[in-house]
Amino acid sequence: GDSVTQMEGPVTLSEEAFLTINCTYTATGYPSLFWYVQYPGEGLQLLLKATKADDKGSNKGFEATYRKETTSFHLEKGSVQVSDSAVYFCALTRLNDMRFGAGTRLTVKP
Amino acid sequence: DAGVTQSPTHLIKTRGQQVTLRCSPISGHKSVSWYQQVLGQGPQFIFQYYEKEERGRGNFPDRFSARQFPNYSSELNVNALLLGDSALYLCASSFDFYNEQFFGPGTRLTVL
Repeated sequence: GDSVTQMEGPVTLSEEAFLTINCTYTATGYPSLFWYVQYPGEGLQLLLKATKADDKGSNKGFEATYRKETTSFHLEKGSVQVSDSAVYFCALTRLNDMRFGAGTRLTVKP
Repeated sequence: DAGVTQSPTHLIKTRGQQVTLRCSPISGHKSVSWYQQVLGQGPQFIFQYYEKEERGRGNFPDRFSARQFPNYSSELNVNALLLGDSALYLCASSFDFYNEQFFGPGTRLTVL
């Protein structure tokens, strides 16, 4: 079945460092891909999305490109801030349910 | 506009009891999905409802059931609670089941 694999955390970075969180997927057909962020004690917030191959989703300095040839949707940010500390989830949807990765906890230190 | 709302925020039950969780979608959204998020893991799909009909079901036992009302709000019921049912239960709404989902803050269920 459809599934998402993302890099294990936790990831600890210094402020202004470059961030990459890897995400690969397995799916038949053409899923839509998402990154969600979860701050402590809160629900999930959509960070960005891409609905077809080569689409680039971007929001708040974060970017991810839908790579069908490598079945990947890696999350990147050029300069992280302390406020970016959260858990990041990669997800896909193809039919009527959404499959999530296990999440990657990011901690950014000043 | 109000986002997805869920009630209650927290709930403590004992093994064998039954629980009902409630969700109100964003105005205009006709699809509601339920997810279980165990501590340290990603959300797992339980159900999706669209226009009051079940459109998808994840790999959960029959102790889990749900319904959607004419106003598109939804309830998730869990019978015969087990310790392993302790989790954050997330509700998400979308305009239809092809569009992105917006999540509520969740209901934290603790089973003792």
